[in-house]
Amino acid sequence: GQQLNQSPQSMFIQEGEDVSMNCTSSSIFNTWLWYKQDPGEGPVLLIALYKAGELTSNGRLTAQFGITRKDSFLNISASIPSDVGIYFCAGPYNTDKLIFGTGTRLQVFP
Amino acid sequence: GAVVSQHPSRVICKSGTSVKIECRSLDFQATTMFWYRQFPKKSLMLMATSNEGSKATYEQGVEKDKFLINHASLTLSTLTVTSAHPEDSSFYICSARRQGDVGGPDEQYFGPGTRLTVT
Repeated sequence: GQQLNQSPQSMFIQEGEDVSMNCTSSSIFNTWLWYKQDPGEGPVLLIALYKAGELTSNGRLTAQFGITRKDSFLNISASIPSDVGIYFCAGPYNTDKLIFGTGTRLQVFP
Repeated sequence: GAVVSQHPSRVICKSGTSVKIECRSLDFQATTMFWYRQFPKKSLMLMATSNEGSKATYEQGVEKDKFLINHASLTLSTLTVTSAHPEDSSFYICSARRQGDVGGPDEQYFGPGTRLTVT
């Protein structure tokens, strides 16, 4: 079946540093979504990508839709403590269902 | 806009009892809602798709008789965990699909989750 693998699995960084994470798939997606989940909460959509090669920003976050359509990248610049959480990529299949990636857990130290 | 609520946020029940979790779209109508389960330090796994006015469709490996879904209105879906056992303890998250603007994509909005602990 389809799998979305995220790398790295976890990151421990200092406040102010930039962060990069990626998501790879064994199959092609036409849409890539990036979510953030705080502890004990549901995921919140950060960025949606709809076109191969697309680069989209949301404040300090920038995400790219890979040219091969099998990967996507998320960058966070100048990290702050509230960036702590789990970041998930997700892609739609069977019209409207979502498959979620394995997640990248981010910890930011002051 | 696009707020989804869940109730309760936390529930503890005894093994063998049933628990009902509600998912509501507060400011939009949703003909389709989704139920996910998330185990500690794991990703969200889709359990079932809830369709207003019709039967839910379940993902492979999810027992429909154990996880009863009712989508009786355009703003409410319920998940009932029947005869709960400790292995059903998990974080249950719903989402509601909102129709996009003309020419735009539909979007899923997630609830805050319900933590179920079965003792």
